[in-house]
Amino acid sequence: DAGVTQSPTHLIKTRGQQVTLRCSPKSGHDTVSWYQQALGQGPQFIFQYYEEEERQRGNFPDRFSGHQFPNYSSELNVNALLLGDSALYLCASSGGPRSGNTIYFGEGSWLTVV
Amino acid sequence: GENVEQHPSTLSVQEGDSAVIKCTYSDSASNYFPWYKQELGKRPQLIIDIRSNVGEKKDQRIAVTLNKTAKHFSLHITETQPEDSAVYFCAAEWPGDDKIIFGKGTRLHILP
Repeated sequence: DAGVTQSPTHLIKTRGQQVTLRCSPKSGHDTVSWYQQALGQGPQFIFQYYEEEERQRGNFPDRFSGHQFPNYSSELNVNALLLGDSALYLCASSGGPRSGNTIYFGEGSWLTVV
Repeated sequence: GENVEQHPSTLSVQEGDSAVIKCTYSDSASNYFPWYKQELGKRPQLIIDIRSNVGEKKDQRIAVTLNKTAKHFSLHITETQPEDSAVYFCAAEWPGDDKIIFGKGTRLHILP
């Protein structure tokens, strides 16, 4: 039973570029949430996808967008990258008949913007 | 709005002693409170959680207590060991959301 998988694990981008991060949820999960964790900070909720729609959104600008596919996998896109976007991006999955409230994190994608 | 406060931000404890981390939350409707441990360069790992219908839960050396009236919950680690050194995050979930709001974290140092 695969857990939450994310790709890529590390990447470096230049200011102004665009980036796409990918996530496959844990088997049986239908809800994917994205979090940004800056160095020394707690994870900050970006948004959540359920049934291929954005269900909730945190306090992040429109440069952050996402998508969920019919197989429940998800992408996070960030446009016009800023130096401050450098962070660990965590994908979390939840849902399904036996998971209750528990969410499971992927290993994360380390993004460095230079 | 939704908010979770956590303290202390840093905690140093002698090996073998107990460590306590405290959190408060803003929304009385919150019903699920997980605790995560994050080691350097790794993802947060769930170590224990508690739901609003329970006041206390224990798992070996770690325990969590919940006071819904006061809207606070605490993590207790007894007989601390060097491998307990990490950053610990408390969190609260809003009902029906599967959305977790995290505290700012506590860096726990276990001193030899």
